[in-house]
Amino acid sequence: SAVISQKPSRDICQRGTSLTIQCQVDSQVTMMFWYRQQPGQSLTLIATANQGSEATYESGFVIDKFPISRPNLTFSTLTVSNMSPEDSSIYLCSVGRLTPYNEQFFGPGTRLTVL
Amino acid sequence: GENVEQHPSTLSVQEGDSAVIKCTYSDSASNYFPWYKQELGKGPQLIIDIRSNVGEKKDQRIAVTLNKTAKHFSLHITETQPEDSAVYFCAASRRSGGYNKLIFGAGTRLAVHP
Repeated sequence: SAVISQKPSRDICQRGTSLTIQCQVDSQVTMMFWYRQQPGQSLTLIATANQGSEATYESGFVIDKFPISRPNLTFSTLTVSNMSPEDSSIYLCSVGRLTPYNEQFFGPGTRLTVL
Repeated sequence: GENVEQHPSTLSVQEGDSAVIKCTYSDSASNYFPWYKQELGKGPQLIIDIRSNVGEKKDQRIAVTLNKTAKHFSLHITETQPEDSAVYFCAASRRSGGYNKLIFGAGTRLAVHP
């Protein structure tokens, strides 16, 4: 499976600021996804990062708050904008295989704390 | 939409015992059921999965069973070891918008005591 890296691995940010998280894959992939994992909770899909077009957001997530870029088939960024303490979470990117079931593999995550 | 329930939320076993985690799903069209293991400070790792046309799958000490009629699936870990301690997530998925979207259960924190 692909090797997925994320930067930064963790950060502590002030309320009202923005943070951009990078996801790099060692091979070209069609499907990339961004998830949020709130403290002690399960994973919730934020959006699908589409190469060459706007991301597809899930209910409850909007582009103004979580803008996503996907400039090529190996890289994507997620920005958490105008942060508040409620945004403190682990943010995970994943890639999906081009198979009938699109098995997903996750990166190591970015641990964000907002003060 | 799909809803996945997972039980128990915590599970404590002695080394060498078996551990069973159960999930139920609501969407009868779901056709793919992966299990992920998340160790502290790491991203979820896919450990085993099962497709809707299969009733059981085994990989060494790990097995998964699926009952489509009852809409539930289970993870079985035999001969547990301390390194099995982690949070385990089940998920269900079906084709939607051109790909299989995962819906996760709430997770089970497994502790294996030496």
